[in-house]
Parts: sequence; structure tokens; C-alpha cells
Amino acid sequence: DAKTTQPNSMESNEEEPVHLPCNHSTISGTDYIHWYRQLPSQGPEYVIHGLTSNVNNRMASLAIAEDRKSSTLILHRATLRDAAVYYCIPPPFRGAQKLVFGQGTRLTINP
Amino acid sequence: KAGVTQTPRYLIKTRGQQVTLSCSPISGHRSVSWYQQTPGQGLQFLFEYFSETQRNKGNFPGRFSGRQFSNSRSEMNVSTLELGDSALYLCASSLDYGGPYNEQFFGPGTRLTVL
Repeated sequence: DAKTTQPNSMESNEEEPVHLPCNHSTISGTDYIHWYRQLPSQGPEYVIHGLTSNVNNRMASLAIAEDRKSSTLILHRATLRDAAVYYCIPPPFRGAQKLVFGQGTRLTINP
Repeated sequence: KAGVTQTPRYLIKTRGQQVTLSCSPISGHRSVSWYQQTPGQGLQFLFEYFSETQRNKGNFPGRFSGRQFSNSRSEMNVSTLELGDSALYLCASSLDYGGPYNEQFFGPGTRLTVL
């Protein structure tokens, strides 16, 4: 399985942008990168996924490096509700559904 | 559309007992996965099912087992409980299986405490 590396924790202020980095140097050229997050006392929830180009949805943006060895999850205006553990997840091996969760990045949002 | 439901939400057992946890996927979803979450090990994959067949299994002892029914509902069983089995057990469902990407939807989990 491919591996990812994320900072253990990050801190930001409310209504400011947050950039969460992830290194995934071992993924192949056809693999998607997924991001999930886990709010306190809840199960993980999907945030976004991408392959090559930058991706946007109502929750966040995903900027993928040209060499695909890293990506950055961008929360444009963080709210207190965005305080969570964010997981950058490598692609499962072909045909499988399992998600391999690392330690993730614990994001703290200051009011 | 209702989300993934798991029952029971909380459970207290003693060492040596066995336990069965239940998961109902989102209507129309055919793939179910199970994960264990502990403070020390984080989120770890247990197994995944599609079309009533176990497709993949994580690195857990044989005391952990599961199954999927024809309506896609799934159960997992842990026999001869140990203190270290205390954890949050999460179920996730997805629409299909085997594609390059299938978003997974997680339930709220079952909190198991082994005394």
C-alpha cells in the first residue's frame, strides 16, 4: 500500500484560510488521493478526492502538485466546526475498498 | 436518505464474552467495511464485504469475524473478548466495489467497553 505523511497538528484562526499538507510520494500515476475528516465523537466523513488537477467542492479545495508527490487541502474560511482530524488517504490497492488511515492532522481553530 | 446506522451504540461486556455488532448501510449501497478505532492504534481496517462475500481482511486475529446478508446489512462478531478489544467500531458503506474510487459513508460507531 502507498503511504502518506502529514503533520501531527495545525492551528488556525476562525475565518482564515487553512492549508493542510500531505506527502504521498509512492502513489502511482492513476491513483486518486482522498481526504476524509473526523469531527469529535463522529465517524469519519469524506471531504474531497482528486487525481491530477486541482479540485473544488462546497467543503474544500484540493491542490495537487504537478509531480503528484504531494497535495494540499485548502479550507478557504475556517470555522469552529472545521476543528477535526484530517486524513490524507492513499489509494487502496486495485479492487479494494479499504481505507488506510494514518495519524492524520489534528486541526484546531481558534475563535 | 437515511445514513449508515449501527446498533447498539454503546456496549459493555466482560472478558471472555462474545459480542455481535450490526450495521445497516445506506439504501442502495452494496459494499460494507468495518474499522476499529483506538487511541493507541488509530483507525484500523477490519474487513470489507460485497455481495455477501468477504473481499479483504485486515490484520486481526480470527476472533474477529463478520458477514454480510443479501440485503447488504452486515454484522461483525468478536469472540472471547479481551480488554484490548475496547474500541470504537465503525462501519462504512459505499455504493459499489472495485472501481478506482468509491466514496465511503461512515456510521456513528459502536463504543465497546470490555471489563
